[in-house]
Amino acid sequence: GQQVMQIPQYQHVQEGEDFTTYCNSSTTLSNIQWYKQRPGGHPVFLIQLVKSGEVKKQKRLTFQFGEAKKNSSLHITATQTTDVGTYFCAVMISSGSARQLTFGSGTQLTVLP
Amino acid sequence: EPEVTQTPSHQVTQMGQEVILRCVPISNHLYFYWYRQILGQKVEFLVSFYNNEISEKSEIFDDQFSVERPDGSNFTLKIRSTKLEDSAMYFCASSYRGAEAFFGQGTRLTVV
Repeated sequence: GQQVMQIPQYQHVQEGEDFTTYCNSSTTLSNIQWYKQRPGGHPVFLIQLVKSGEVKKQKRLTFQFGEAKKNSSLHITATQTTDVGTYFCAVMISSGSARQLTFGSGTQLTVLP
Repeated sequence: EPEVTQTPSHQVTQMGQEVILRCVPISNHLYFYWYRQILGQKVEFLVSFYNNEISEKSEIFDDQFSVERPDGSNFTLKIRSTKLEDSAMYFCASSYRGAEAFFGQGTRLTVV
């Protein structure tokens, strides 16, 4: 099935610095979703991208889907301590009525005050 | 705001025992999923369920696992004979059209 590789595995930043996590696939993706999981919490949906070259913004978060639909990135501008958590990309694989949401390995973000 | 609820929040069980993890998906959702997450690791897909039957399952979801939707609201995951390596956080999720998934708070299963 479709696999997504995510880098880096860990990132420590000083509060106010920017942060980026990358998601890559060897095959063309029909969509990419991003989730955030706070420490001790559950994954929370952030966004879905479906179009080639798509860019979406949510306040300080910018999401991109590559032109070839094989990679995606999440960029956080001027991180805050509330951004701490693990960010996962995920692909929803659909075949008829079957659905499978496959997660990347995640990037664990630590923000130092 | 509607949410997915899971019970119990924490379950401790002896190796070899059966456990049932319970979930109440969001009421108008059509797709239901179980995931597990071993501490500090990625979120692993177990199974998806649609129209009262399994639509996809992973290699992890072997004969020890089963799912049921016994009534119009509950969605359960049963592990027949637990092993130590089944210790993990188990998340239930649901989605309406199979796009964004809403996750429950999870059940932490500890097998001793």
